[in-house]
Amino acid sequence: DQQVKQNSPSLSVQEGRISILNCDYTNSMFDYFLWYKKYPAEGPTFLISISSIKDKNEDGRFTVFLNKSAKHLSLHIVPSQPGDSAVYFCAASADAGGTSYGKLTFGQGTILTVHP
Amino acid sequence: DAGVIQSPRHEVTEMGQEVTLRCKPISGHNSLFWYRQTMMRGLELLIYFNNNVPIDDSGMPEDRFSAKMPNASFSTLKIQPSEPRDSAVYFCASSFWLPSSYNSPLHFGNGTRLTVT
Repeated sequence: DQQVKQNSPSLSVQEGRISILNCDYTNSMFDYFLWYKKYPAEGPTFLISISSIKDKNEDGRFTVFLNKSAKHLSLHIVPSQPGDSAVYFCAASADAGGTSYGKLTFGQGTILTVHP
Repeated sequence: DAGVIQSPRHEVTEMGQEVTLRCKPISGHNSLFWYRQTMMRGLELLIYFNNNVPIDDSGMPEDRFSAKMPNASFSTLKIQPSEPRDSAVYFCASSFWLPSSYNSPLHFGNGTRLTVT
């Protein structure tokens, strides 16, 4: 039972263009969503998050959009840079303000490659 | 800020041996998490602690797995006896938890790659 799904295993984008990474979830109890970036041989690094009371959150080149009715979120990176090449994980929590906030359910990840 | 420190980075052991993974969380953080990453199951939570107390260990796969947090700056994950299917990358993460607020994201260490032959 995969509650968080990233259906695209990989994405290739030209430098300067927009990268759009997608994530779908099935659990209606999820109330907090995060994106992590991971380089080889390193741990995941937090990028950006959004609570279920919002539909958009921006941080520099990164924007996360949440569509609760569709149970879908996306990460936009504009403009994309070669250094953005990494694995991107979508994660969700069902207890954002409670003791289980860190009990994250992760997607399988999407490998982003940004070509110069 | 040194980040979350895990040791060892790599561990190769034979089936049946005891394995101990170590984690030093970020100073000041009061929550600590152990995650495991495998090809088949991706990243999954094993156990987490708040203020050194285990809160949820429902992700621990079997009794062969145990975790402790004797103080705020140290945690261990032990596998005894180890089996080949335990081969994975084990991540430790820490965060600062406050009740009823949107808390700080998890900060992950670089992981321990465990190979059981």
